[in-house]
Amino acid sequence: DAGITQSPRHKVTETGTPVTLRCHQTENHRYMYWYRQDPGHGLRLIHYSYGVKDTDKGEVSDGYSVSRSKTEDFLLTLESATSSQTSVYFCAISEQDSYYGYTFGSGTRLTVV
Amino acid sequence: QQPVQSPQAVILREGEDAVINCSSSKALYSVHWYRQKHGEAPVFLMILLKGGEQKGHEKISASFNEKKQQSSLYLTASQLSYSGTYFCGTERGLSGAGSYQLTFGKGTKLSVIP
Repeated sequence: DAGITQSPRHKVTETGTPVTLRCHQTENHRYMYWYRQDPGHGLRLIHYSYGVKDTDKGEVSDGYSVSRSKTEDFLLTLESATSSQTSVYFCAISEQDSYYGYTFGSGTRLTVV
Repeated sequence: QQPVQSPQAVILREGEDAVINCSSSKALYSVHWYRQKHGEAPVFLMILLKGGEQKGHEKISASFNEKKQQSSLYLTASQLSYSGTYFCGTERGLSGAGSYQLTFGKGTKLSVIP
């Protein structure tokens, strides 16, 4: 009954290849976010979306792009993967008013070799 | 700019109390608190809004000092299930409303032992 799912859960890819991670929600929430989590850094915002085709950059957006063509899907693309992009990626969703907090997906563990 | 959390780690025995602090250099609209267990996603605990009151959730409560841009999470009579990493997430204000973006601290690892 998860309202938010991420795919794939795990991925190993080679340096220089493009990679797309998918976040899918069934809650019809307006806001969607991509964070990366690395030891010693906590969660850092990559990109976020405030509606269909409305996206903006976060603090660590270099090397990443996003798209949101439907309310329920938010895609994160690593245009040319590098080893520094090895990380755990979390998608999160939020309602118009964030009084109920963010709901996070289960995460995607990405390894770039 | 990331909020600063302290301490970085704390070890408690069951039944002891702990306080985790979160401090920002920017004016804040809200502060969120999350708990993450190893290998899992962060889970929302509570939100404190500018001008709001102290919140509570069973034996876990929090406060927000707007003037100092600081929030504290209080865990009383800790249980083994409280173990995990606690993150604060801060939201800046824009023209009286929130910015709908959270900036997270680096986390505080809490270990509760029998």
